[in-house]
Amino acid sequence: EVQLVESGGGLVQPGGSLRLSCAASGFTFSSYWMSWVRQAPGKGLEWVANIKQDGSEKYYVDSVKGRFTISRDNAKNSLYLQMNSLRAEDTAVYYCAREYIAVAGYYYYYMDVWGKGTTVTVSS
Amino acid sequence: SSELTQDPAVSVALGQTVRITCQGDSLRSYYASWYQQKPGQAPVLVIYGKNNRPSGIPDRFSGSSSGNTASLTITGAQAEDEADYYCNSRDSSGNHGVFGGGTKLTVL
Repeated sequence: EVQLVESGGGLVQPGGSLRLSCAASGFTFSSYWMSWVRQAPGKGLEWVANIKQDGSEKYYVDSVKGRFTISRDNAKNSLYLQMNSLRAEDTAVYYCAREYIAVAGYYYYYMDVWGKGTTVTVSS
Repeated sequence: SSELTQDPAVSVALGQTVRITCQGDSLRSYYASWYQQKPGQAPVLVIYGKNNRPSGIPDRFSGSSSGNTASLTITGAQAEDEADYYCNSRDSSGNHGVFGGGTKLTVL
């Protein structure tokens, strides 16, 4: 079964750090771009970061640049998000998702596998 | 602000047809993907590419695209289709993902 399982969420004080993990199974993890997507309470989905199959390219939403670092360990089938200097506005459910991208005239891009999410609460 | 624009809310009578739209410059190069999210659950991909449904998604869900606008159509909406719907693509740079603000669908 294709599956993504996030862990590492919790309550942290403003300015603190947290490391999220996402364990992948049931597919060849090293063949896919991977993303982190978050959803603040009562708000919509926000793409946070993604990473290429070999880790050579990483991209971030402006609001987390310089504070968050996405990484992966293909030998362990795992995706990570190191979150530093956390702010109240980072409070959200964080999902990892498998990306698919291809081009055939138009670009095909979608996230076809999602984890159930892990909750991060930044509060004093 | 999001680079993909959706109407915040749409309603449809049970059994009728509803269209949810998504506008953005990147949609001139990317097919939008569409996700259904019910309260307390993770998003589920319902449409991708030109008009493709993942396994298990009912055929009442369909997608289309024209210019900078993508549409998700539900033909014969059911009560269980009441949910939030999000469109998604990469942005104009091609490197960052981006979601629309979401459309809350109410089935009357």
